[in-house]
Amino acid sequence: DAGVIQSPRHEVTEMGQEVTLRCKPISGHNSLFWYRQTMMRGLELLIYFNNNVPIDDSGMPEDRFSAKMPNASFSTLKIQPSEPRDSAVYFCASSFGLVSDTQYFGPGTRLTVL
Amino acid sequence: AQTVTQSQPEMSVQEAETVTLSCTYDTSENNYYLFWYKQPPSRQMILVIRQEAYKQQNATENRFSVNFQKAAKSFSLKISDSQLGDTAMYFCAFMKDPYGGSQGNLIFGKGTKLSVKP
Repeated sequence: DAGVIQSPRHEVTEMGQEVTLRCKPISGHNSLFWYRQTMMRGLELLIYFNNNVPIDDSGMPEDRFSAKMPNASFSTLKIQPSEPRDSAVYFCASSFGLVSDTQYFGPGTRLTVL
Repeated sequence: AQTVTQSQPEMSVQEAETVTLSCTYDTSENNYYLFWYKQPPSRQMILVIRQEAYKQQNATENRFSVNFQKAAKSFSLKISDSQLGDTAMYFCAFMKDPYGGSQGNLIFGKGTKLSVKP
């Protein structure tokens, strides 16, 4: 079975550019999570969806960040405009439901903003 | 707010020996779930083991087992017969019981870097 798929795996961009990260959850999972990992802050939740609906976006750092889930098999995390402090590894995870189920992580996207 | 603390930033162990990684957490919840995730150099986050707080029996997965002490809010991971492939960052994570509208997200500790030496 395919796991969570993220693209791109690596992204290097310049400050001010728009960045779009993509995620395909495991088929049949109805919850999707976006996490960010940095040395300073560790792993932190940005936003999560249940049945394609955003449930909690309180972790989104500022208005430059937005996320969408147009259907059950695809989600995007967009940063516009990007800044050097956005450099991090961004993980997408999915689970069968919110109800205590295990979250399975994608391989992550390493974002570098110059 | 829930917090997760891993007090050992780095540990090392000889191959074939046993090592225990510590994790404590703070919560006022009675029902919750605890996890250990492994992050090897490939960066992939891999589930190692999970524990439901309502279960008294400690979870076990092959060479991995936990010592869950609910009253002490402690959740340590024991790795037996350590292998070179166990070298990774290990993250302890907490999740509130999502029933009743609570969030289902994971709260992670800062991680422990484990090195298994030949």
